Amino acid sequence: GQQLNQSPQSMFIQEGEDVSMNCTSSSIFNTWLWYKQDPGEGPVLLIALYKAGELTSNGRLTAQFGITRKDSFLNISASIPSDVGIYFCAGPPFNQKLVFGQGTRLTINP
Amino acid sequence: DTGVSQDPRHKITKRGQNVTFRCDPISEHNRLYWYRQTLGQGPEFLTYFQNEAQLEKSRLLSDRFSAERPKGSFSTLEIQRTEQGDSAMYLCASSLGVGTGRIAEAFFGQGTRLTVV
Repeated sequence: GQQLNQSPQSMFIQEGEDVSMNCTSSSIFNTWLWYKQDPGEGPVLLIALYKAGELTSNGRLTAQFGITRKDSFLNISASIPSDVGIYFCAGPPFNQKLVFGQGTRLTINP
Repeated sequence: DTGVSQDPRHKITKRGQNVTFRCDPISEHNRLYWYRQTLGQGPEFLTYFQNEAQLEKSRLLSDRFSAERPKGSFSTLEIQRTEQGDSAMYLCASSLGVGTGRIAEAFFGQGTRLTVV
């Protein structure tokens, strides 16, 4: 089935550092989504991207829809402790149900 | 708050028992999804509905699992004869339907954590 590959699988950074993560697909997507999940909670939608090359920001978060339409990137600037969690990329192949990557676990050292 | 609501939040059951979970989507959303998530993994698709019609069911889904969405409102997910391997977080999500341009933006509930002992 459709798979999304996220990289890196985990990150350990110092508070205040910038973070970059990415997601690749074996097929073309028309939409890319980024979610954050805290322990014991459901994923929360952060950013939705609809157009190749699109760059969208949500506060300190910036995401880009890759021009090949097979990848997407998420950057977090000036990380703070509440950024800790697992970040998932997701997309709907053939505009049907969402498929998810395996997640990037972010840990921040104060 | 009119977000996606799931009930119960936690369920502990003995192996072999049946369990049923409920999901109330955001009121104007006509797509509803069920996902399962185990520790360290991303959400895994189970099934989804467009209004009351079940459009797709994962081939990985055992026939012990069944979902309904009567009248296109709330949905239930039932697991019959539970097994220890069914222990997971069960997530429900909803989104706007076809033609809205935002069909992919799924909003999740807080999940139901199932533990089979």
